[in-house]
Amino acid sequence: KQEVTQIPAALSVPEGENLVLNCSFTDSAIYNLQWFRQDPGKGLTSLLLIQSSQREQTSGRLNASLDKSSGRSTLYIAASQPGDSATYLCAVTGHGQNFVFGPGTRLSVLP
Amino acid sequence: DAGVIQSPRHEVTEMGQEVTLRCKPISGHDYLFWYRQTMMRGLELLIYFNNNVPIDDSGMPEDRFSAKMPNASFSTLKIQPSEPRDSAVYFCASSFLGLYEQYFGPGTRLTVT
Repeated sequence: KQEVTQIPAALSVPEGENLVLNCSFTDSAIYNLQWFRQDPGKGLTSLLLIQSSQREQTSGRLNASLDKSSGRSTLYIAASQPGDSATYLCAVTGHGQNFVFGPGTRLSVLP
Repeated sequence: DAGVIQSPRHEVTEMGQEVTLRCKPISGHDYLFWYRQTMMRGLELLIYFNNNVPIDDSGMPEDRFSAKMPNASFSTLKIQPSEPRDSAVYFCASSFLGLYEQYFGPGTRLTVT
């Protein structure tokens, strides 16, 4: 059974800092991995999707990498801003095409 | 496109009552997912449909939960009878081909007293 973990559970950084969020999964037989952002009381917003054949994806200040063999993905946020404060979740799609979500990392960017 | 639409946004009901949550996926998407989010268990997949057909309902917690998708633009999640432990935020999401990005609705916050 696929299990997804995220480290750290919470992170607080000053504005302008570069930061890395980590996601690990136990079964490397995945089709893709997706990073989401969730603001308090809101739904999930898709940030980046990495197909299993890809190594990384970039969107603006965000860069996500995928290492299937080691069961790891990282989300890099450059020059963090207070508006980046949210919970970040990763999810993997494997056999059966259902998504398994990690517990999330709660990020606070202090002005 | 308006995105995934869910209704109601908030539902407060008493234990034992029937609750129906509704979802309209993004037009053209052929996969629809129902999730439940709680502080204790995080985000859990309950059931998903492909072309209106239920594919995997192994996440549905009990027989009190049922889901239908009568057509490509509408799905319901029903809880009958509801219990306080069903209190959670229920999300609907849709995607194209199932392997591409999932787009989430705003969720329905259910409180069962």
